[in-house]
Amino acid sequence: EDKVVQSPLSLVVHEGDTVTLNCSYEVTNFRSLLWYKQEKKAPTFLFMLTSSGIEKKSGRLSSILDKKELFSILNITATQTGDSAVYLCAVYDPRLTFGEGTQLTVNP
Amino acid sequence: EAQVTQNPRYLITVTGKKLTVTCSQNMNHEYMSWYRQDPGLGLRQIYYSMNVEVTDKGDVPEGYKVSRKEKRNFPLILESPSPNQTSLYFCASSIDRVSGEQYFGPGTRLTVT
Repeated sequence: EDKVVQSPLSLVVHEGDTVTLNCSYEVTNFRSLLWYKQEKKAPTFLFMLTSSGIEKKSGRLSSILDKKELFSILNITATQTGDSAVYLCAVYDPRLTFGEGTQLTVNP
Repeated sequence: EAQVTQNPRYLITVTGKKLTVTCSQNMNHEYMSWYRQDPGLGLRQIYYSMNVEVTDKGDVPEGYKVSRKEKRNFPLILESPSPNQTSLYFCASSIDRVSGEQYFGPGTRLTVT
């Protein structure tokens, strides 16, 4: 059975802090790993990773995949209150299996 | 505007009364799927479809049916809803079958009493 585990489940930081969110996985036919951001609505796409060691960046967010150790991290630098959300990791094989998510709260 | 639409957005129904939640996308996407989201359990895939007339079970298919007769539509059918199907449901679509990059609809809040 495919499995995705995210940590921590919850994180509270102050504006300006840097955070690292973790995602480990066990999946049979890995094709890609995806990160989504979910505020109080539908998830929105952040990154798709297919190759180890290649960092994807978008503004203050970045992510990298390690296919040997079966994990990915999502970094957010200089956090802002607008970054407060649940961050979801998912693996595609071609079913899509999600982790439980990390609830990030950024306080002013 | 490129989007995934779901209807209805909110539904309260009673046990055993058949219902259908519609999902439509206007992006000519091949891959479509349905998820339910429950507190403490996260998002779980119910069914997915990689093309017209091709559907496969996700992690929690019991109690649900789907069909993919046209590329743009992927309805979710609950033949005999039960209270444990009370949940937030999302439909999503993806441009291809390779990447898994999904665009989500706005969600349908279903309550079964």
